[in-house]
Amino acid sequence: TQLLEQSPQFLSIQEGENLTVYCNSSSVFSSLQWYRQEPGEGPVLLVTVVTGGEVKKLKRLTFQFGDARKDSSLHITAAQPGDTGLYLCAELTGNQFYFGTGTSLTVIP
Amino acid sequence: SAVISQKPSRDICQRGTSLTIQCQVDSQVTMMFWYRQQPGQSLTLIATANQGSEATYESGFVIDKFPISRPNLTFSTLTVSNMSPEDSSIYLCSVGGVANEKLFFGSGTQLSVL
Repeated sequence: TQLLEQSPQFLSIQEGENLTVYCNSSSVFSSLQWYRQEPGEGPVLLVTVVTGGEVKKLKRLTFQFGDARKDSSLHITAAQPGDTGLYLCAELTGNQFYFGTGTSLTVIP
Repeated sequence: SAVISQKPSRDICQRGTSLTIQCQVDSQVTMMFWYRQQPGQSLTLIATANQGSEATYESGFVIDKFPISRPNLTFSTLTVSNMSPEDSSIYLCSVGGVANEKLFFGSGTQLSVL
């Protein structure tokens, strides 16, 4: 399994600010997913990206897949306290999903 | 989508004891997965539980420590055996989508070992 490195590990910002979270690997992803986990809950899928260079938008969230399919980013515009949580990238290898190191986001009202 | 019920939601256990975590899904699924999430960290896959065969364990996890049952297509259990404080974690059950294109998770079991 390849190691999925996320950065930053922790992020604390004020409401209304923008932020970007990164997911990187030394190997090519077949596809990449982003999940968000809130305290006391399991992760919930936000998006799947498959094609190099692909950009997907989900309201204030913009997901980008690198051209070489070895990296991905998640950009949040005008962050809100409800965006607080642990953001995880994940890759499907065979029949198993492997998760990145995670980014813990706190949005302060 | 799949609805997953996991219990207990939390437990505090003594060193040397064992805890069995149950995972019930509202539909039949081929593959069920067990993950561990240590405090403040990401998810690590423990094993894949397939109905009718032995579970497949990831590197660093062994059947003697984490025995898994999968008696049918809607249910699985994970036992954490001979617990130590290092086993304090959140344990999460998950299943794949129809084409295993994404994961659905239970709410997790928060385990504290004293």
